[in-house]
Amino acid sequence: GAVVSQHPSWVICKSGTSVKIECRSLDFQATTMFWYRQFPKQSLMLMATSNEGSKATYEQGVEKDKFLINHASLTLSTLTVTSAHPEDSSFYICSARGLTPNEQFFGPGTRLTVL
Amino acid sequence: DAKTTQPNSMESNEEEPVHLPCNHSTISGTDYIHWYRQLPSQGPEYVIHGLTSNVNNRMASLAIAEDRKSSTLILHRATLRDAAVYYCILRDVDTDKLIFGTGTRLQVFP
Repeated sequence: GAVVSQHPSWVICKSGTSVKIECRSLDFQATTMFWYRQFPKQSLMLMATSNEGSKATYEQGVEKDKFLINHASLTLSTLTVTSAHPEDSSFYICSARGLTPNEQFFGPGTRLTVL
Repeated sequence: DAKTTQPNSMESNEEEPVHLPCNHSTISGTDYIHWYRQLPSQGPEYVIHGLTSNVNNRMASLAIAEDRKSSTLILHRATLRDAAVYYCILRDVDTDKLIFGTGTRLQVFP
């Protein structure tokens, strides 16, 4: 199946700093990418949908100024957690949609720990 | 909101078949049924999807009820590597979003 990568796989930062997470589709072009986060022992929660070249659409309750999403190319989307705080510590997972809507591939996730 | 209901957990012995049920009584005519699984500390992995007819692939089979209000994921011979959380998801054709529910945690015993 298609491959989606994330970088970094884990990051530890101090409270108040910003962290950028990259999501790449390695062998296909993804016009749409999705960002999820997952707290321990919970399910994935959709944060936002990003389409290449346009602004991301955020789910209700997700602060767009806190979680900046850029989808600058068909193979790269980035999520920046601005002024991170301990409550932002979570497992962040991206997914990329392939040629058809039924093809959606997930990255391995990025574990963010904010001290 | 997640539109599926699954048991919280199930158990199986290695090399036995496993039937994971999913209820989706509010499914619309255009909703696709997707199954993903997630191993600890990993992203979800695609398992199978279907619309109306039963589906088979190398990983599993998907049996869809005639009224489409429920479906069952079938692992024909469970292995220890199949231990994971299995998510049954209805894909909204209007938004293409995959909204995850709580899933079923499958334990496989040797």
